[in-house]
Amino acid sequence: DGGITQSPKYLFRKEGQNVTLSCEQNLNHDAMYWYRQDPGQGLRLIYYSQIVNDFQKGDIAEGYSVSREKKESFPLTVTSAQKNPTAFYLCASSIIGGPTSNQPQHFGDGTRLSIL
Amino acid sequence: DQQVKQNSPSLSVQEGRISILNCDYTNSMFDYFLWYKKYPAEGPTFLISISSIKDKNEDGRFTVFLNKSAKHLSLHIVPSQPGDSAVYFCAVKDPTGGYQKVTFGTGTKLQVIP
Repeated sequence: DGGITQSPKYLFRKEGQNVTLSCEQNLNHDAMYWYRQDPGQGLRLIYYSQIVNDFQKGDIAEGYSVSREKKESFPLTVTSAQKNPTAFYLCASSIIGGPTSNQPQHFGDGTRLSIL
Repeated sequence: DQQVKQNSPSLSVQEGRISILNCDYTNSMFDYFLWYKKYPAEGPTFLISISSIKDKNEDGRFTVFLNKSAKHLSLHIVPSQPGDSAVYFCAVKDPTGGYQKVTFGTGTKLQVIP
């Protein structure tokens, strides 16, 4: 059964600590994304990757870092530089089509990060 | 500056009636529009989409309408069922975004009352 797995579901961080959120997909999708959701706001893009060993900043990349060493995995690190990290984090993946191709994104169930 | 707006944060509808969720966008270059449904503590799931070359797309109880001149998108659910209670996000694709950039609205929480 193909899908996207995010772990853990809940995560707590002490101030000043870095923390890494896991995202694994077995859909054989080339593109992967990280979004952040805050109450009353839409999903905001943090980082995205279209191919292994390459990734691009999204709209709110400051205080975050990613890696894409394998096609299946796209972990997100929330660094101590992120001043307001408490949020719901969503990972997604999609097929990359041509310029006129439209492929919906498939999402994991998210990780809720809280600061202690 | 929000490019995609869902002005109604919540909507309540009786079971069996029609639910209409609205979405406005600002950029006439957007060429593909999607609706996602999200239950609490889960990720969004893709529901239905429409290309800018169409004005209507139907899938079972769900129909999406696109009014390009008004830059307005709507999702109709008929008949509404209690299981439809969720947050609905509209999303738009910007072809100039390079990577198929998708921008999400803020969501509308739909409650279907049995």
